[in-house]
Amino acid sequence: QKEVEQNSGPLSVPEGAIASLNCTYSDRGSQSFFWYRQYSGKSPELIMSIYSNGDKEDGRFTAQLNKASQYVSLLIRDSQPSDSATYLCAVRSGGSYIPTFGRGTSLIVHP
Amino acid sequence: DARVTQTPRHKVTEMGQEVTMRCQPILGHNTVFWYRQTMMQGLELLAYFRNRAPLDDSGMPKDRFSAEMPDATLATLKIQPSEPRDSAVYFCASLRTGAISGANVLTFGAGSRLTVL
Repeated sequence: QKEVEQNSGPLSVPEGAIASLNCTYSDRGSQSFFWYRQYSGKSPELIMSIYSNGDKEDGRFTAQLNKASQYVSLLIRDSQPSDSATYLCAVRSGGSYIPTFGRGTSLIVHP
Repeated sequence: DARVTQTPRHKVTEMGQEVTMRCQPILGHNTVFWYRQTMMQGLELLAYFRNRAPLDDSGMPKDRFSAEMPDATLATLKIQPSEPRDSAVYFCASLRTGAISGANVLTFGAGSRLTVL
């Protein structure tokens, strides 16, 4: 059973702070890793993907992957109230197009 | 702007009634997924199709749920008879296998919010 674990939160951070969201996964064969953002009442939208160990930066977002520790994280710098949403971690094994989703972490950025 | 289109957006029905949800995947996407999302269970994969062929529907209650893809532009999810425990948001998502980047990542539709009374 492939599992993706996330702390459900809520994670509350002040505006301008760094928000750190974490995800662990059980399948060592996992090769693709994704972060989706889901606003309340909306559908998940992809914000980051990462395939290699290390960091990947895109604007205020940085995804970090450590395959040895089976750990992927998302950092949001200069957090804004508009970043308040649920962040879903998804993991895909090599040779499969089916991602396994975590339950998501609720982030609240307060002014 | 390419998008996955789902109908209806909202559906309220009574227990025992048939419910049909429809999905138009992004043009060129050959793999279509149906997910159900609830507060308790999160996102659950119900079924998926590749090139219109059903590949996995193990997540779907077989006695009342059925999923089909009559053509490349339409996927359907049917519940008959519906029960209150089926109340959830149902998402369709699509991707294109074999794509180098971008299109090989899952894109979700806006969802169909189902309430069964």
